[in-house]
Amino acid sequence: NAGVTQTPKFRVLKTGQSMTLLCAQDMNHEYMYWYRQDPGMGLRLIHYSVGEGTTAKGEVPDGYNVSRLKKQNFLLGLESAAPSQTSVYFCASTVTGRAFGYTFGSGTRLTVV
Amino acid sequence: KQEVTQIPAALSVPEGENLVLNCSFTDSAIYNLQWFRQDPGKGLTSLLLIQSSQREQTSGRLNASLDKSSGRSTLYIAASQPGDSATYLCAVRGRGSQGNLIFGKGTKLSVKP
Repeated sequence: NAGVTQTPKFRVLKTGQSMTLLCAQDMNHEYMYWYRQDPGMGLRLIHYSVGEGTTAKGEVPDGYNVSRLKKQNFLLGLESAAPSQTSVYFCASTVTGRAFGYTFGSGTRLTVV
Repeated sequence: KQEVTQIPAALSVPEGENLVLNCSFTDSAIYNLQWFRQDPGKGLTSLLLIQSSQREQTSGRLNASLDKSSGRSTLYIAASQPGDSATYLCAVRGRGSQGNLIFGKGTKLSVKP
């Protein structure tokens, strides 16, 4: 009964380094999302996926790439980290249907120095 | 473009008070609306979900209402407790199965003993 699991939970990167954040869900959800949360800005959508092998851009996609090779996993990549990418990153998933809401992971706190 | 606004940004009340948190959205063509709770440094916990065809949902001391035509939702908390202290986020999902979740910036609630 894990729901949505994000790894790692914390990370410090140097400017220019790369990393991948992993999101895994065990609910067989079709849709998956990556958000970032910044003080005063709220949660903003980075990228999302409506099914295995598909991805799309959200509100703030620049500097990030994503992949959904398996239905249960959604990866968020930072190719060359910048201090502006210091944030808390949340993954979420859901299914089709008005009765269904989003389930969120516990977040990854990323600091770029 | 959908915009979600939450008023007030912060609220402090004495224990035992009933209180109302407000959420407004600019596009009434929504799929559903979800209220979340976020404790400091933690992830998002779903409290209530209201489908676009519904007017309200209740869970324990919480009651959420939806007036789609006026673009408003309220979260009513009865008999508030110090443990209710958290940030409350309202989010609307756009129409269509691929509609994404758009968040307000939240109301930070503090319940004083």
